[in-house]
Amino acid sequence: AQRVTQPEKLLSVFKGAPVELKCNYSYSGSPELFWYVQYSRQRLQLLLRHISRESIKGFTADLNKGETSFHLKKPFAQEEDSAMYYCALSGPGNKLVFGAGTILRVKS
Amino acid sequence: KAGVTQTPRYLIKTRGQQVTLSCSPISGHRSVSWYQQTPGQGLQFLFEYFSETQRNKGNFPGRFSGRQFSNSRSEMNVSTLELGDSALYLCASSPGLAGVYEQYFGPGTRLTVT
Repeated sequence: AQRVTQPEKLLSVFKGAPVELKCNYSYSGSPELFWYVQYSRQRLQLLLRHISRESIKGFTADLNKGETSFHLKKPFAQEEDSAMYYCALSGPGNKLVFGAGTILRVKS
Repeated sequence: KAGVTQTPRYLIKTRGQQVTLSCSPISGHRSVSWYQQTPGQGLQFLFEYFSETQRNKGNFPGRFSGRQFSNSRSEMNVSTLELGDSALYLCASSPGLAGVYEQYFGPGTRLTVT
């Protein structure tokens, strides 16, 4: 069965420090992976997807099939990046499965 | 375009009762998915409807059911409510299947079971 693991419930970094939000997946096929973000008092929204290979708000994520990971990275954290981040995997039947989420707190 | 809307926004029910939640997708979107969000479990997939057919289902008991109408609006029903059903229920719509297209989320319905 497909599964997404986000090992950190909370990640706290200082403004300007690098950020890496971890995401590991379990799926035997070719996955479609996404990062969704929920800012305070806002709706959950798509941040990026691996297939588009875009950098959104300075965030990037590389699919590593060998390590079955899709970590989200940003070189310099900003206070407005504070939010809940969910990694998601689309597998058989295009069913979307989310990880438990990681709260990112950027301290000034 | 108007975003995804969910009604009601807040609901308080008693154990054993049933509840129906409603979701109106973005115009033109044919897929509607439902999720349960709790602090302990995160975001858990309930089911997805596409063109009035249930396409995918999560690991929830049969007390959780849903349907989609010809205008793509969707309803979710929970029967015989339990305390553990207290959660934020999110609906999301997309032009096509959820695993392929970007999902647009609604604000959620906060259900409290007492």
